[in-house]
Amino acid sequence: DQQVKQNSPSLSVQEGRISILNCDYTNSMFDYFLWYKKYPAEGPTFLISISSIKDKNEDGRFTVFLNKSAKHLSLHIVPSQPGDSAVYFCAAIFRYTGGGNKLTFGTGTQLKVEL
Amino acid sequence: GAGVSQSPRYKVAKRGQDVALRCDPISGHVSLFWYQQALGQGPEFLTYFQNEAQLDKSGLPSDRFFAERPEGSVSTLKIQRTQQEDSAVYLCASSLETGGGGETQYFGPGTRLLVL
Repeated sequence: DQQVKQNSPSLSVQEGRISILNCDYTNSMFDYFLWYKKYPAEGPTFLISISSIKDKNEDGRFTVFLNKSAKHLSLHIVPSQPGDSAVYFCAAIFRYTGGGNKLTFGTGTQLKVEL
Repeated sequence: GAGVSQSPRYKVAKRGQDVALRCDPISGHVSLFWYQQALGQGPEFLTYFQNEAQLDKSGLPSDRFFAERPEGSVSTLKIQRTQQEDSAVYLCASSLETGGGGETQYFGPGTRLLVL
């Protein structure tokens, strides 16, 4: 059972426009969410995160929105740049006593930013 | 400073062969994680170390998988009697602190294992 879902395997956006990547989760125990970016032949790189007590977090061109009631989060990139072309993974953490912050990942969305 | 490094970057093994994958975390990082990423999928958790203690191995798919971190730094993931379904990218990640704060995990480039 996929606890973190990214239903769009790919997304194509024009340079300068907004990219919106979506993620849904089923486990209400998740209390921290992250977005990772991955280029081919490299490991995932942390992009931005949000705690479940917030509904928005912004860092430069990247903003993450969390809707807890809908169990949905989204990543907005504006303006999109060709260097943003990569696979984006949504990930979630359930922090529990004595445990590490193991990440539960979605299946990823391939973003392509076209000139 | 150096990031997380993994070796080898690529490994081809014959079915039934044993393999050992190495991870060098960022110096001073307490937490170390192993993930398995199959083609077209997101990474899936395998196991977690806090220093030398393996606190969570719930993601290891079978008893053919074994991980260790004897001195609390370098870690090795060993797969015995490899099967074709073990073919995947194995990712190692480390973070500075222990659980509870959502600390960022830093990933290595991964080891791509192909079992023929």
